[in-house]
Amino acid sequence: NAGVTQTPKFQVLKTGQSMTLQCAQDMNHNSMYWYRQDPGMGLRLIYYSASEGTTDKGEVPNGYNVSRLNKREFSLRLESAAPSQTSVYFCASSEGTSSEKLFFGSGTQLSVL
Amino acid sequence: SQKIEQNSEALNIQEGKTATLTCNYTNYSPAYLQWYRQDPGRGPVFLLLIRENEKEKRKERLKVTFDTTLKQSLFHITASQPADSATYLCALDPDSGKSTFGDGTTLTVKP
Repeated sequence: NAGVTQTPKFQVLKTGQSMTLQCAQDMNHNSMYWYRQDPGMGLRLIYYSASEGTTDKGEVPNGYNVSRLNKREFSLRLESAAPSQTSVYFCASSEGTSSEKLFFGSGTQLSVL
Repeated sequence: SQKIEQNSEALNIQEGKTATLTCNYTNYSPAYLQWYRQDPGRGPVFLLLIRENEKEKRKERLKVTFDTTLKQSLFHITASQPADSATYLCALDPDSGKSTFGDGTTLTVKP
């Protein structure tokens, strides 16, 4: 019973490079989320998807794109990475269309040099 | 603007005492409020959810209160143990599907 799986766990990019963070859940949840967490701060919502085929912007969407590939997978893409995007990224899922009882992955530590 | 404030960044208490963490909010009308635990290098883990029409919720040594008039939630850990040391986050969702998190309070329980 894996829950929410994120890959990779660590990544170092140069400014301007692109990459995709992968997230998959095996709990048959409807909603999936991407958050970022900066040192000493709470989580900030980047994008979320209330169901397969739908995505919506969160608090800090600029510089990111997302794809809800199917019910299990929700990916986050950085097209042209910037140092301001250095952060820890968490994927989460919830059973319904609200954000009750979020299940989180273990995070991706991303450094942009 | 909307704001969530959790009390002091760090809280230190002695083992066996009750830890009380505070979450205050402004310009929100949340349908529910949640508390999560986060250990270093790990993702948050859900602990408790309390709805706007509930005053109090309990789970083992944990208790949450929710006062929508004061716009405040209190999170209590009774008979605290060193294993309770972690960062605790509160989260609000006005039922839009977009939970907003506070910055967290780091609790240290000393033996």
